[in-house]
Amino acid sequence: KQEVTQIPAALSVPEGENLVLNCSFTDSAIYNLQWFRQDPGKGLTSLLLIQSSQREQTSGRLNASLDKSSGRSTLYIAASQPGDSATYLCAVRSSATQGGSEKLVFGKGMKLTVNP
Amino acid sequence: DAGVIQSPRHEVTEMGQEVTLRCKPISGHNSLFWYRQTMMRGLELLIYFNNNVPIDDSGMPEDRFSAKMPNASFSTLKIQPSEPRDSAVYFCASRQTGPRSQPQHFGDGTRLSIL
Repeated sequence: KQEVTQIPAALSVPEGENLVLNCSFTDSAIYNLQWFRQDPGKGLTSLLLIQSSQREQTSGRLNASLDKSSGRSTLYIAASQPGDSATYLCAVRSSATQGGSEKLVFGKGMKLTVNP
Repeated sequence: DAGVIQSPRHEVTEMGQEVTLRCKPISGHNSLFWYRQTMMRGLELLIYFNNNVPIDDSGMPEDRFSAKMPNASFSTLKIQPSEPRDSAVYFCASRQTGPRSQPQHFGDGTRLSIL
């Protein structure tokens, strides 16, 4: 059974810092991995999606990497801003060859606060 | 471009009552997902549909929960009878399946409180 872990559960940093958010998963047979952002009282917004064959994806100040063999992904946020304050979740979709479906298994998220 | 629309946004009701949550997916999306989010358990998939057909309902907690998708533009999640432990935020998401992976798009959720 796939389990996804995000540590720490919360992080508070001053504006301008470069950040690394961690995500680990127990079963390396994945189809893809996604990073989402959730603002209070809102749904999830997809930030980056990495296919199992890819090593990283970039969008603006965000860069996500994937190391399947070690069961890890990191989300790098460059030059953090107060507007980056939100909860960040990673989610794993299992490989179709493992009988996987469209089901995403989510970590519990990391609450980020960027202080001005 | 309208996103996933859920209603109601908030629902407070007494234990034992029937609760119906509604979702309108993004037009053209052929997969629809219902999730439940709690502090203790995080975000969990309840059920998902592909082309209006339920594919995986293994996350539905018990027979009190049921979901339908009568057409491509509407889905409901029903709880009957409701219990206090059903209190959570329920999200609906949709995506377009195809040869290239597309992310799921989430609605803003329904915050459900069962007294």
